Amino acid sequence: EAQVTQNPRYLITVTGKKLTVTCSQNMNHEYMSWYRQDPGLGLRQIYYSMNVEVTDKGDVPEGYKVSRKEKRNFPLILESPSPNQTSLYFCASSTSTGTSGAYEQYFGPGTRLTVT
Amino acid sequence: AQSVTQLGSHVSVSEGALVLLRCNYSSSVPPYLFWYVQYPNQGLQLLLKYTSAATLVKGINGFEAEFKKSETSFHLTKPSAHMSDAAEYFCAVSVFDDYKLSFGAGTTVTVRA
Repeated sequence: EAQVTQNPRYLITVTGKKLTVTCSQNMNHEYMSWYRQDPGLGLRQIYYSMNVEVTDKGDVPEGYKVSRKEKRNFPLILESPSPNQTSLYFCASSTSTGTSGAYEQYFGPGTRLTVT
Repeated sequence: AQSVTQLGSHVSVSEGALVLLRCNYSSSVPPYLFWYVQYPNQGLQLLLKYTSAATLVKGINGFEAEFKKSETSFHLTKPSAHMSDAAEYFCAVSVFDDYKLSFGAGTTVTVRA
């Protein structure tokens, strides 16, 4: 089954304790992206990756890191989480052939993070 | 940069009634427009998309949307609401050669029995 998986689905942590949220896709997609969803703000892009070893900032990258060492994986790293990073996080992927903007993005199930 | 505005953060409809969710976009170049649905505790799922072909786009679950350039709108409709349509709906825009999806704030749909 074609899918994007994220782990963990729920995470409660304390301020300053480093954490990683994993994302993996089995569709051989080149493009991957992380979003955060907050009430009344929709989804905002954190980071994206056009291919292995190619990453770039989205709209709200502060406090986050990413890496893309393998095509299928795109982990999101919070080196020192703070309460304002409490949010619902989604990973997404898309193919990159043809007219890029027209392609559907496939979303993972989400990770609900609470930082106290 | 492109953006979308969704009018109304909450919409309540009776089962069997028309569902109308409003989305207006802003883009300096021809846009690609999407509607995604998010059911409780799930990720986003594509309902339909407009990519410069037919202006009336039909999607899954009986939804459709019409691209109106003159009104910069891409409103989502369904003739008859079902209880299973209760979810949050997001309008999004991208443009040629740019993967960036810009989302609206979302509209939560409640269906009354």
